[in-house]
Amino acid sequence: NAGVTQTPKFQVLKTGQSMTLQCAQDMNHNSMYWYRQDPGMGLRLIYYSASEGTTDKGEVPNGYNVSRLNKREFSLRLESAAPSQTSVYFCASTPMQGGNQPQHFGDGTRLSIL
Amino acid sequence: AQSVTQLDSQVPVFEEAPVELRCNYSSSVSVYLFWYVQYPNQGLQLLLKYLSGSTLVESINGFEAEFNKSQTSFHLRKPSVHISDTAEYFCAVSVRGQGGKLIFGQGTELSVKP
Repeated sequence: NAGVTQTPKFQVLKTGQSMTLQCAQDMNHNSMYWYRQDPGMGLRLIYYSASEGTTDKGEVPNGYNVSRLNKREFSLRLESAAPSQTSVYFCASTPMQGGNQPQHFGDGTRLSIL
Repeated sequence: AQSVTQLDSQVPVFEEAPVELRCNYSSSVSVYLFWYVQYPNQGLQLLLKYLSGSTLVESINGFEAEFNKSQTSFHLRKPSVHISDTAEYFCAVSVRGQGGKLIFGQGTELSVKP
């Protein structure tokens, strides 16, 4: 059972470069989320997709874009990376958007921007 | 706006001792409450959840948490910890009808020493 799969696991970028973080889930979940984790700040929501075909901003969306490619896949793009975007990025999914079902997390992408 | 506060950033404890990890939240509407655990270099895993009903909820590995509505708290407890419980613990809330988004506390690093 793969669950939520994130690629790549590690990445180093130079300031100004762009990249896309990939996320795929095989649980037939409707809702998907992108968080970033920084020391002492917990996880903060970047963007989410309550259902296929919809995306919405979270708490910290600036500098990011997302695409819900299909029901399985939800990608996060950094158009022009900045050192402040150095973080660990987690993708998560849940069956429905009602809020009463736990989210399932991937193992994260560790991103460093020099 | 909702917020979650974990009152201790680090909790060192000896093996077989009891532990309490504190979590307070602020919300003017109904919420669902969760505790997640993160082992090094891994994603988050659900530990337990409170949705409704009995205010005391338990996990399969001996943790329990009690929902206290009047104090807006959801503290996590274990009567006797093991070395393997060493991890970071996150308290989170989800507001009904808001897309299933999770609002996380800052995290508590539990360190169990022999």
